[in-house]
Amino acid sequence: DTEVTQTPKHLVMGMTNKKSLKCEQHMGHRAMYWYKQKAKKPPELMFVYSYEKLSINESVPSRFSPECPNSSLLNLHLHALQPEDSALYLCASSLGQGAGNQPQHFGDGTRLSIL
Amino acid sequence: GESVGLHLPTLSVQEGDNSIINCAYSNSASDYFIWYKQESGKGPQFIIDIRSNMDKRQGQRVTVLLNKTVKHLSLQIAATQPGDSAVYFCAETRDDKIIFGKGTRLHILP
Repeated sequence: DTEVTQTPKHLVMGMTNKKSLKCEQHMGHRAMYWYKQKAKKPPELMFVYSYEKLSINESVPSRFSPECPNSSLLNLHLHALQPEDSALYLCASSLGQGAGNQPQHFGDGTRLSIL
Repeated sequence: GESVGLHLPTLSVQEGDNSIINCAYSNSASDYFIWYKQESGKGPQFIIDIRSNMDKRQGQRVTVLLNKTVKHLSLQIAATQPGDSAVYFCAETRDDKIIFGKGTRLHILP
């Protein structure tokens, strides 16, 4: 079992739907991340939150909207997604944002399918 | 652009033998490296890390070697077991981000 919990594990949605992915950690980590992973590819960074503030947005389309309500929670709001957005969405956390010398701890992801 | 990569997409190893997974990186300024294991249906799991001021670091059944001269990183798994079957990613840190390599799928032969 991972210490980063993601819900739901699977999500199927239409292109006009609005849904949210949720991530929770109780390790006292102050940096949280969203990644997208396509099949047979490495994870690709989408967003970084540091101390509940968005610090990095890797030019992600606005149909993905992150939110960090508090230091333990991270959401990813989805709206008007495209079929190519189907992927595994991974959440991770680390002690602080400075990636040097700090491993990130990952959840098991949400498998998203866009119809 | 520059990225961390792996030499082989797949590696097959006999159960009980040692496994060696290799990774080449291109950014000589990178100062922290991590190996992750990703099993089917799960997120990446931290295995071991190493800082650039070290050449070798050992964990339980795993060893990471760093050769900064040729910018090469390797993961050695001793006495490979069926539970080691997974995709292994090396990663480097750059600009406060972790950049993943392409991954090597490790197959364990009975």
